[in-house]
Amino acid sequence: NAGVTQTPKFQVLKTGQSMTLQCAQDMNHEYMSWYRQDPGMGLRLIHYSVGAGITDQGEVPNGYNVSRSTTEDFPLRLLSAAPSQTSVYFCASSYGWGEGETQYFGPGTRLLVL
Amino acid sequence: GENVEQHPSTLSVQEGDSAVIKCTYSDSASNYFPWYKQELGKRPQLIIDIRSNVGEKKDQRIAVTLNKTAKHFSLHITETQPEDSAVYFCAAPSGGGADGLTFGKGTHLIIQP
Repeated sequence: NAGVTQTPKFQVLKTGQSMTLQCAQDMNHEYMSWYRQDPGMGLRLIHYSVGAGITDQGEVPNGYNVSRSTTEDFPLRLLSAAPSQTSVYFCASSYGWGEGETQYFGPGTRLLVL
Repeated sequence: GENVEQHPSTLSVQEGDSAVIKCTYSDSASNYFPWYKQELGKRPQLIIDIRSNVGEKKDQRIAVTLNKTAKHFSLHITETQPEDSAVYFCAAPSGGGADGLTFGKGTHLIIQP
């Protein structure tokens, strides 16, 4: 049981490049989400999904796309990277989405946009 | 949506002393309050949580208290040890449905030897 996994661990992009951050979980969790973490800002929700085929926007969705074709995978796409997207990205999952559901975080992807 | 304020941003205590981190929230409908610990370069991990039907919850050296009337909750760590050094985040539900969690901005806890 690997839990929540993320790839890559670290990535450097040039402004305007695109890339996909991968997230997978093997706990059969319905709920998956993406957060970004910036110094002094805590974690902010980008997008979330309550199940395969269903996604929605969080607090800071601009510049990011997501899809959920399977229960296990929830990739985050940057279509045209900007320096403001330099951050650490965490994927999280939980069994459900009601209050009280423990969210399990992946190890994070550190992204630098030049 | 929910607004979570966390204080202090940095807390330095002597090893063996107690540490207290406080958070306030804005949505009176919130009823679940988790605390996460994040060590340098690692992922956030849940250390304790509390639901609104109780006022206090303990787990060994850590405890969380909740005052729903005042809309604040606190993390208490007693007999602090070097391995307690980390950034601690409080959180509350962002709103109705599946909006995830709104996090405080974090407290960097430093344990002085």
